[in-house]
Amino acid sequence: QKEVEQNSGPLSVPEGAIASLNCTYSDRVSQSFFWYRQYSGKSPELIMSIYSNGDKEDGRFTAQLNKASQYVSLLIRDSQPSDSATYLCAVASGAGSYQLTFGKGTKLSVIP
Amino acid sequence: KAGVTQTPRYLIKTRGQQVTLSCSPISGHRSVSWYQQTPGQGLQFLFEYFSETQRNKGNFPGRFSGRQFSNSRSEMNVSTLELGDSALYLCASSHLTSGASYEQYFGPGTRLTVT
Repeated sequence: QKEVEQNSGPLSVPEGAIASLNCTYSDRVSQSFFWYRQYSGKSPELIMSIYSNGDKEDGRFTAQLNKASQYVSLLIRDSQPSDSATYLCAVASGAGSYQLTFGKGTKLSVIP
Repeated sequence: KAGVTQTPRYLIKTRGQQVTLSCSPISGHRSVSWYQQTPGQGLQFLFEYFSETQRNKGNFPGRFSGRQFSNSRSEMNVSTLELGDSALYLCASSHLTSGASYEQYFGPGTRLTVT
Protein backbone atom coordinates (compact mmCIF):
# COMPACT_ATOMS: atom_id res chain seq x y z
CA GLN A 1 0.00 0.00 0.00
CA LYS A 2 1.59 3.23 -1.16
CA GLU A 3 1.24 5.94 1.44
CA VAL A 4 1.91 9.66 1.51
CA GLU A 5 1.89 11.28 4.92
CA GLN A 6 1.48 14.94 5.77
CA ASN A 7 0.89 16.78 9.01
CA SER A 8 -2.76 17.85 8.81
CA GLY A 9 -2.11 21.10 10.66
CA PRO A 10 -3.40 23.67 10.88
CA LEU A 11 -0.06 25.36 10.48
CA SER A 12 -0.24 29.02 11.42
CA VAL A 13 2.50 31.46 10.44
CA PRO A 14 2.62 35.26 10.61
CA GLU A 15 2.61 37.27 7.40
CA GLY A 16 6.13 37.60 5.99
CA ALA A 17 7.43 34.46 7.68
CA ILE A 18 8.60 31.21 6.07
CA ALA A 19 6.07 28.38 6.01
CA SER A 20 7.52 24.87 5.94
CA LEU A 21 5.37 21.97 4.78
CA ASN A 22 6.56 18.38 4.98
CA CYS A 23 5.66 15.11 3.33
CA THR A 24 6.95 11.53 3.57
CA TYR A 25 6.19 8.68 1.21
CA SER A 26 6.46 4.92 1.51
CA ASP A 27 7.15 3.72 -2.05
CA ARG A 28 10.90 3.75 -2.69
CA VAL A 29 10.47 3.59 -6.47
CA SER A 30 8.60 6.92 -6.52
CA GLN A 31 10.10 9.22 -9.10
CA SER A 32 7.92 12.31 -9.45
CA PHE A 33 6.72 14.61 -6.70
CA PHE A 34 4.22 17.42 -6.80
CA TRP A 35 2.79 20.09 -4.56
CA TYR A 36 -0.74 21.31 -5.10
CA ARG A 37 -2.55 24.18 -3.43
CA GLN A 38 -6.27 23.87 -2.82
CA TYR A 39 -8.41 26.76 -1.67
CA SER A 40 -11.63 25.92 0.12
CA GLY A 41 -14.30 24.94 -2.38
CA LYS A 42 -11.86 24.90 -5.29
CA SER A 43 -9.92 22.22 -7.15
CA PRO A 44 -6.19 21.55 -6.61
CA GLU A 45 -3.77 23.84 -8.42
CA LEU A 46 -0.27 22.61 -9.32
CA ILE A 47 2.39 24.89 -7.84
CA MET A 48 5.60 22.83 -7.90
CA SER A 49 7.01 19.63 -9.35
CA ILE A 50 10.35 18.06 -8.45
CA TYR A 51 12.03 14.94 -9.78
CA SER A 52 15.67 15.02 -8.60
CA ASN A 53 17.25 15.21 -5.19
CA GLY A 54 17.95 18.72 -4.00
CA ASP A 55 16.15 22.02 -4.15
CA LYS A 56 14.00 23.58 -6.84
CA GLU A 57 13.01 27.22 -6.56
CA ASP A 58 10.14 29.04 -8.26
CA GLY A 59 9.47 32.53 -7.01
CA ARG A 60 8.60 32.40 -3.32
CA PHE A 61 8.32 28.60 -3.41
CA THR A 62 11.13 26.09 -2.89
CA ALA A 63 10.61 22.35 -3.12
CA GLN A 64 13.16 20.05 -1.51
CA LEU A 65 13.53 16.34 -2.25
CA ASN A 66 15.53 13.68 -0.41
CA LYS A 67 14.87 10.27 -1.96
CA ALA A 68 17.12 8.45 0.50
CA SER A 69 14.98 9.69 3.38
CA GLN A 70 11.77 9.47 1.31
CA TYR A 71 11.02 13.04 2.19
CA VAL A 72 9.80 16.04 0.24
CA SER A 73 9.11 19.52 1.54
CA LEU A 74 7.77 22.87 0.39
CA LEU A 75 9.00 26.20 1.71
CA ILE A 76 6.98 29.34 1.17
CA ARG A 77 8.99 32.50 1.76
CA ASP A 78 7.43 35.86 2.63
CA SER A 79 4.09 34.16 3.34
CA GLN A 80 1.01 36.16 2.42
CA PRO A 81 -2.59 35.83 3.64
CA SER A 82 -3.45 34.71 0.09
CA ASP A 83 -1.25 31.64 0.67
CA SER A 84 -3.78 30.40 3.24
CA ALA A 85 -5.00 27.12 1.76
CA THR A 86 -4.56 23.37 2.03
CA TYR A 87 -1.34 22.09 0.49
CA LEU A 88 -1.39 18.61 -0.98
CA CYS A 89 1.68 16.49 -1.56
CA ALA A 90 1.37 14.01 -4.45
CA VAL A 91 3.68 11.22 -5.55
CA ALA A 92 3.86 9.28 -8.82
CA SER A 93 5.54 5.89 -8.74
CA GLY A 94 7.57 4.48 -11.57
CA ALA A 95 8.61 5.99 -14.87
CA GLY A 96 5.74 7.38 -16.87
CA SER A 97 3.16 6.78 -14.14
CA TYR A 98 0.09 8.95 -14.26
CA GLN A 99 -1.31 7.57 -11.03
CA LEU A 100 -0.81 10.09 -8.25
CA THR A 101 -1.04 9.14 -4.60
CA PHE A 102 -1.99 12.14 -2.48
CA GLY A 103 -1.43 12.98 1.14
CA LYS A 104 -4.41 14.26 3.11
CA GLY A 105 -3.01 17.78 2.98
CA THR A 106 -1.71 20.40 5.40
CA LYS A 107 -3.92 23.40 6.12
CA LEU A 108 -1.86 26.59 6.19
CA SER A 109 -3.11 29.79 7.77
CA VAL A 110 -1.10 33.00 7.28
CA ILE A 111 -1.98 35.53 9.95
CA PRO A 112 -1.86 39.22 8.89
CA LYS B 1 -5.00 28.03 -23.55
CA ALA B 2 -8.29 26.95 -22.02
CA GLY B 3 -8.07 24.78 -18.93
CA VAL B 4 -9.71 21.49 -18.11
CA THR B 5 -13.49 21.72 -18.19
CA GLN B 6 -15.93 19.47 -16.39
CA THR B 7 -19.69 19.21 -16.68
CA PRO B 8 -21.93 19.35 -14.87
CA ARG B 9 -20.51 21.26 -11.93
CA TYR B 10 -23.16 20.08 -9.47
CA LEU B 11 -25.40 17.03 -9.40
CA ILE B 12 -27.95 15.67 -6.98
CA LYS B 13 -28.96 12.05 -7.46
CA THR B 14 -30.89 9.44 -5.54
CA ARG B 15 -29.51 6.13 -4.30
CA GLY B 16 -29.68 3.44 -6.97
CA GLN B 17 -29.52 5.87 -9.89
CA GLN B 18 -26.58 6.18 -12.25
CA VAL B 19 -24.63 9.25 -13.27
CA THR B 20 -22.31 10.29 -16.10
CA LEU B 21 -19.69 13.00 -15.69
CA SER B 22 -17.81 14.63 -18.54
CA CYS B 23 -14.31 16.05 -18.85
CA SER B 24 -12.58 17.94 -21.67
CA PRO B 25 -8.79 18.07 -21.25
CA ILE B 26 -6.47 20.94 -22.08
CA SER B 27 -5.97 21.16 -25.83
CA GLY B 28 -3.15 18.83 -26.86
CA HIS B 29 -3.26 16.74 -23.68
CA ARG B 30 -3.99 13.09 -24.40
CA SER B 31 -4.07 11.65 -20.91
CA VAL B 32 -7.07 12.07 -18.63
CA SER B 33 -7.17 10.88 -15.04
CA TRP B 34 -10.11 10.84 -12.65
CA TYR B 35 -10.01 11.26 -8.88
CA GLN B 36 -12.53 11.19 -6.08
CA GLN B 37 -12.14 13.62 -3.19
CA THR B 38 -13.95 13.18 0.11
CA PRO B 39 -13.27 14.76 3.52
CA GLY B 40 -12.49 11.38 5.07
CA GLN B 41 -10.38 9.71 2.38
CA GLY B 42 -8.89 12.72 0.64
CA LEU B 43 -8.00 12.48 -3.05
CA GLN B 44 -8.09 8.96 -4.44
CA PHE B 45 -7.19 7.81 -7.94
CA LEU B 46 -10.00 6.23 -9.97
CA PHE B 47 -8.53 5.56 -13.41
CA GLU B 48 -6.46 7.01 -16.23
CA TYR B 49 -7.02 6.98 -19.98
CA PHE B 50 -4.64 7.57 -22.86
CA SER B 51 -5.58 7.30 -26.52
CA GLU B 52 -8.95 5.77 -25.63
CA THR B 53 -7.33 3.03 -23.51
CA GLN B 54 -7.57 2.62 -19.77
CA ARG B 55 -3.98 2.26 -18.57
CA ASN B 56 -4.38 2.40 -14.80
CA LYS B 57 -7.22 1.71 -12.40
CA GLY B 58 -7.48 2.50 -8.72
CA ASN B 59 -9.08 0.43 -6.01
CA PHE B 60 -12.73 1.21 -6.66
CA PRO B 61 -15.63 -1.19 -7.31
CA GLY B 62 -16.77 -2.03 -10.81
CA ARG B 63 -19.67 0.41 -10.46
CA PHE B 64 -17.15 3.07 -11.42
CA SER B 65 -16.24 3.04 -15.08
CA GLY B 66 -14.99 5.41 -17.70
CA ARG B 67 -14.09 5.87 -21.29
CA GLN B 68 -12.18 8.22 -23.53
CA PHE B 69 -13.10 9.39 -26.99
CA SER B 70 -10.87 9.99 -30.00
CA ASN B 71 -10.79 13.74 -29.26
CA SER B 72 -9.42 12.93 -25.76
CA ARG B 73 -12.63 13.95 -24.01
CA SER B 74 -13.50 11.54 -21.24
CA GLU B 75 -16.56 10.44 -19.33
CA MET B 76 -16.92 8.53 -16.10
CA ASN B 77 -20.01 6.65 -15.04
CA VAL B 78 -21.14 5.53 -11.63
CA SER B 79 -23.96 3.00 -11.54
CA THR B 80 -26.20 2.03 -8.63
CA LEU B 81 -25.26 5.10 -6.62
CA GLU B 82 -24.66 4.77 -2.90
CA LEU B 83 -24.66 7.49 -0.24
CA GLY B 84 -20.90 7.05 0.11
CA ASP B 85 -20.40 8.09 -3.51
CA SER B 86 -21.14 11.69 -2.53
CA ALA B 87 -17.89 13.47 -3.32
CA LEU B 88 -16.06 15.93 -5.51
CA TYR B 89 -15.04 14.18 -8.72
CA LEU B 90 -11.98 15.69 -10.31
CA CYS B 91 -10.60 15.23 -13.77
CA ALA B 92 -6.97 15.97 -14.54
CA SER B 93 -5.23 16.17 -17.88
CA SER B 94 -1.55 15.54 -18.49
CA HIS B 95 1.10 15.94 -21.10
CA LEU B 96 4.66 14.73 -21.31
CA THR B 97 7.08 17.27 -19.93
CA SER B 98 10.85 17.26 -20.13
CA GLY B 99 12.45 14.33 -18.35
CA ALA B 100 9.51 12.03 -19.03
CA SER B 101 7.55 13.34 -16.09
CA TYR B 102 3.87 14.12 -16.14
CA GLU B 103 2.27 17.15 -14.57
CA GLN B 104 -1.45 16.87 -14.01
CA TYR B 105 -3.77 19.85 -14.20
CA PHE B 106 -7.15 19.62 -12.56
CA GLY B 107 -10.52 20.80 -13.71
CA PRO B 108 -13.00 22.53 -11.39
CA GLY B 109 -14.65 19.25 -10.45
CA THR B 110 -18.18 17.92 -10.30
CA ARG B 111 -19.81 17.96 -6.88
CA LEU B 112 -22.04 14.88 -6.64
CA THR B 113 -24.55 14.55 -3.82
CA VAL B 114 -26.39 11.25 -3.40
CA THR B 115 -29.55 11.35 -1.29
